Amino acid sequence: DGGITQSPKYLFRKEGQNVTLSCEQNLNHDAMYWYRQDPGQGLRLIYYSQIVNDFQKGDIAEGYSVSREKKESFPLTVTSAQKNPTAFYLCASSMGLVYNEQFFGPGTRLTVL
Amino acid sequence: AQKITQTQPGMFVQEKEAVTLDCTYDTSDQSYGLFWYKQPSSGEMIFLIYQGSYDEQNATEGRYSLNFQKARKSANLVISASQLGDSAMYFCAMSFTGGGNKLTFGTGTQLKVEL
Repeated sequence: DGGITQSPKYLFRKEGQNVTLSCEQNLNHDAMYWYRQDPGQGLRLIYYSQIVNDFQKGDIAEGYSVSREKKESFPLTVTSAQKNPTAFYLCASSMGLVYNEQFFGPGTRLTVL
Repeated sequence: AQKITQTQPGMFVQEKEAVTLDCTYDTSDQSYGLFWYKQPSSGEMIFLIYQGSYDEQNATEGRYSLNFQKARKSANLVISASQLGDSAMYFCAMSFTGGGNKLTFGTGTQLKVEL
């Protein structure tokens, strides 16, 4: 089935450690996105990529990094510079054209111990 | 800058009744898109309905319809014949020309459908 997968579903990290969240899609979508969701809040954009080997910062990129080496994959690294990384992280993809709906993965819940 | 406002943190509706979830937006762009997503307790975001700023007709998708009032900058979601499975968080979102299809989200409305 076509869709977006994120792994792991739950992730625990010690303070000071970097951690990488996986996002893979087989929808042949050009654009991919990372969002962060905090309790009682809407989603906020971290990074997005419209084509391979290119990506742009979103509204809250500080303390995060991404890569887009393949069309299907858009991993997000939460670095030790991110001061409050505990959150729910959602990956999405779309055809990349403006006003196309975004399809979301199941999310990764990151907890910093 | 674009902004989405959802003023209803929580709503209750009885099964089989209709419910309206409010959404207002602020933008200086003439061309934009408005989306509604559903987020069940599992966390995944499910696309429900889309309205383009130049669309003359209100969008409809099954039991979902969007009451689009451009002059008032509102894009309310109407769910008809509510079902228990409609209990979830609902988010209004916007994309705009030049924004690369990025979405700006509101803070959401928690809907609870009761027997």
